[in-house]
This record gives sequence, structure tokens and C-alpha cells, in this order.
Amino acid sequence: DIVMTQSPDSLAVSLGERATISCRSSQSVLYSSINKNYLAWYQQKPGQPPKLLIYWASTRESGVPDRFSGSGSGTDFTLTINSLQAEDVAVYYCQQYYSNPHTFGQGTKLEIK
Amino acid sequence: QLQLQESGPGLVKPSETLSLTCTVSGDSISSSNYYWGWIRQPPGKGLEWIGSISYSGNTYYNPSLKSRVTISVDTSKNQFSLNLRSVTAADTAVYYCARSGVSGTDYWGQGTLVTVSS
Repeated sequence: DIVMTQSPDSLAVSLGERATISCRSSQSVLYSSINKNYLAWYQQKPGQPPKLLIYWASTRESGVPDRFSGSGSGTDFTLTINSLQAEDVAVYYCQQYYSNPHTFGQGTKLEIK
Repeated sequence: QLQLQESGPGLVKPSETLSLTCTVSGDSISSSNYYWGWIRQPPGKGLEWIGSISYSGNTYYNPSLKSRVTISVDTSKNQFSLNLRSVTAADTAVYYCARSGVSGTDYWGQGTLVTVSS
């Protein structure tokens, strides 16, 4: 199985500031033939299912605010939230869907400082 | 708008079988571009991918659960199902059904809490 490790486990950021969450995979999730990383980011608020934010490591899902961005390739990835808003308080998960099982990171809890 | 809705018992006894159904509306489950799957989340914990099934019936399971899991599809009802055998308290979780493809898991059901207890 590919192990996904996120850091930090929790994060407190002031409103309007930037939040950065890292995700590392135990092996590459890059499909070289199409140059796509099979890495997604999700946001989960209490009592709700996860919501897809980013796929292919850096492509924003339709309707997701452009303050959310993803970067990275191979085994190291980053989710950046610029100009943090109160509604961004949530747990964020990365997931690789390169190979089965499609493993998730342990989650990063984002709070307002 | 695609919608997924889980249904099934909220309480299952230890050693018995957990059975859930996901009803899909707004799209055909026979769509060739997607996989239909299950993900669970124990209370207060993270997400665990259980497995998925393609429109053609090909199944993919998490090795940690493979010996106990069956996912099946009923295209006539636009539904897919999860059976998890020999459950224990460790299987208590919110179970989500979801649609996945090359762009990640883009549609999720609201989730249903299944508690394993006698």
C-alpha cells in the first residue's frame, strides 16, 4: 500500500493569512505516460462528507475558490489556502488514487488563530 | 445534479453482516468513465477506502478488508451495494458511498452511521 503522511496534524492560522499543508506519499503517484499525479485534496467540515478541492495535484475542482491551490509532483505535495476565511475551518485530507487501495493521509485540522 | 444516498441498518450485531445500498440519481451507474465505491470513517477518525466497482463489474478491494468485503452493482436499479461480513466493534463507522474517476472522488453520499453492538 502507498502510505500518505500529512503535516502538520493541526494548524492554527489568522484570518487573511496563508495556510500550508504538506502531504508525502511513500512512492510516486505520477503517471509518467500522461504526466498526471493521481493526488487529490479534500475538505471535510463537521457532519459533512468530504468535498473534492483539488485533483491531479493542482487542478481546482469546479466551484472551488481560487484561494485554494495545490502543487507538487511525484511524492511531495502541498495544499495552500491564501487569505484564510472563517469558512475554511475544516479537516483537510490528501488521497492518492494511483494504485489500490486508494489511501488517505491522516488529516490536518485547520483552525483560526 | 448527481446524488448518492446510502441506506441500510444503523445497528448490526457482532459477527453478522453489514449490508448497505447506495442509490444513484442524476446519472447512469453504467457510465464507463467512473467507479462506484465505499469509504468509511470511524467516529472522530480519518478516512479509509473500502473498495470500488466499475460499470462492468470489476471490483477492487482494500487488502485489509478483502476477505470480508463484497461490492456489487445493480444497473437496473441504478444502485450498488456493500456487504461486510463478520463485523466487530472496529467496523463501527460512518459509511460513505461515492463516485470516483481520473479526477478523484467528486461525488459523495451524506454518509450513514453503522454501529456494531449487541
